[in-house]
Amino acid sequence: ETGVTQSPTHLIKTRGQQVTLRCSSQSGHNTVSWYQQALGQGPQFIFQYYREEENGRGNFPPRFSGLQFPNYSSELNVNALELDDSALYLCASRPDRGRVNEQFFGPGTRLTVL
Amino acid sequence: EDKVVQSPLSLVVHEGDTVTLNCSYEVTNFRSLLWYKQEKKAPTFLFMLTSSGIEKKSGRLSSILDKKELFSILNITATQTGDSAVYLCAVPDYGGSQGNLIFGKGTKLSVKP
Repeated sequence: ETGVTQSPTHLIKTRGQQVTLRCSSQSGHNTVSWYQQALGQGPQFIFQYYREEENGRGNFPPRFSGLQFPNYSSELNVNALELDDSALYLCASRPDRGRVNEQFFGPGTRLTVL
Repeated sequence: EDKVVQSPLSLVVHEGDTVTLNCSYEVTNFRSLLWYKQEKKAPTFLFMLTSSGIEKKSGRLSSILDKKELFSILNITATQTGDSAVYLCAVPDYGGSQGNLIFGKGTKLSVKP
């Protein structure tokens, strides 16, 4: 157990819909990152939040957005879903922006877009 | 463009075999390299390497980094069926993404009884 939880476990949506995925970080972990892992690929960095502000973003379009809350929970929102958005979405939290070896991953949400 | 390349992409061995997994990288502002094991969903941390030539060990797993040749290897000796997983290599990007990880595609290891 990493102390990082995600919900839901699985989700099926249709193209064009919107989805919200949730993550609950370890207490005291001020930094949360989200990754997308397509089948057979390594995780790809989407964005990072530090103290409720986005402070790093990967090569993903603006329809991927997020929020981080003071209670160490966070959300990933995806608008106008496309078939290629089907993937495992992982969140990872760590105490601060450094200490990457202390980053713990959640179990992920498997999103299927039909 | 920063990148991390792992090989082989998949590997099938029998229990008791020794395996070597490879990871090469081209990353600006390199500081460290990390190995993860992904069995079902959440990647779990194995090692972080920062210095060349210093081997990290944990039981039957060991890893070493070569900063001159820009690669790392992960060795698993006396493999067991429980070692079956995807092994991911990652390098933190200290450029634009605040230390977030650039992952390779992973090596899928299958250990047969």
